[in-house]
Amino acid sequence: AAGVIQSPRHLIKEKRETATLKCYPIPRHDTVYWYQQGPGQDPQFLISFYEKMQSDKGSIPDRFSAQQFSDYHSELNMSSLELGDSALYFCASSQTSGRATDTQYFGPGTRLTVL
Amino acid sequence: AQSVAQPEDQVNVAEGNPLTVKCTYSVSGNPYLFWYVQYPNRGLQFLLKYITGDNLVKGSYGFEAEFNKSQTSFHLKKPSALVSDSALYFCAVDSGSARQLTFGSGTQLTVLP
Repeated sequence: AAGVIQSPRHLIKEKRETATLKCYPIPRHDTVYWYQQGPGQDPQFLISFYEKMQSDKGSIPDRFSAQQFSDYHSELNMSSLELGDSALYFCASSQTSGRATDTQYFGPGTRLTVL
Repeated sequence: AQSVAQPEDQVNVAEGNPLTVKCTYSVSGNPYLFWYVQYPNRGLQFLLKYITGDNLVKGSYGFEAEFNKSQTSFHLKKPSALVSDSALYFCAVDSGSARQLTFGSGTQLTVLP
C-alpha cells in the first residue's frame, strides 16, 4: 500500500539558513499534518491543512510557514534556522476532512540537523 | 486542553509473556485514543484506535487496548510478546475540538529472549 512520502530524508543546514521540507500524502488523503520530534521527545503538532486551507495551528514558530498545494502535497518552509530546530519532522495524512476520529498515517520523517 | 501520560519510560518483558504498556489521558469532550509504534530511525506506525463502542480494541500485530472511561486509561496489551515487538510506543489523544494528536512521552518496550 502507498504510504506518506517525505523528502529529503536527511538535511543538514547552517544557522540562519532556510530549509524546505516536502510531504506527499497517501493518495486520496485530503488532510496533511506536520509534527516536530526533538531528540528524546514526543512528537509535537505544528500545523495542519485540509483541502489546501490551514486547518489547525499548534506550536509552530513564526519563522516557519507551510502550505498545501492543489495536488495535496505540502511543504514546510523554515527560515532563520536555529540550533534548536534540529529535530525529526514528521508529516502525516488522513482522509475525509481531518476529523478527530481519522487515523493519521505518518511518513518516515525528515531529520534536520542545524549546525 | 488535552494531555496523555505514559507513566513508564521503560518496560521489560520476557518473550512469550504478556505485556502491558500504560496510558492515561485527560481531555475535555469525547476522547479519541490512538497507539503508535516507532522503530529506530523510522516513522510512527499506527497500531489501533478507540473512537466509540466496544471498550476492547484489537489492532495490528496482535496488539489490543482497553478503554476505561472511569480510570481515563487506554492501556496497550499483547498476550504473548515477541522480541520483534521491542520498540518505542506512543499513546496519543485527539478530541472533537482539537483535531490534532497530543502524544505521551513514549514507553520503550524491550522484549528479552
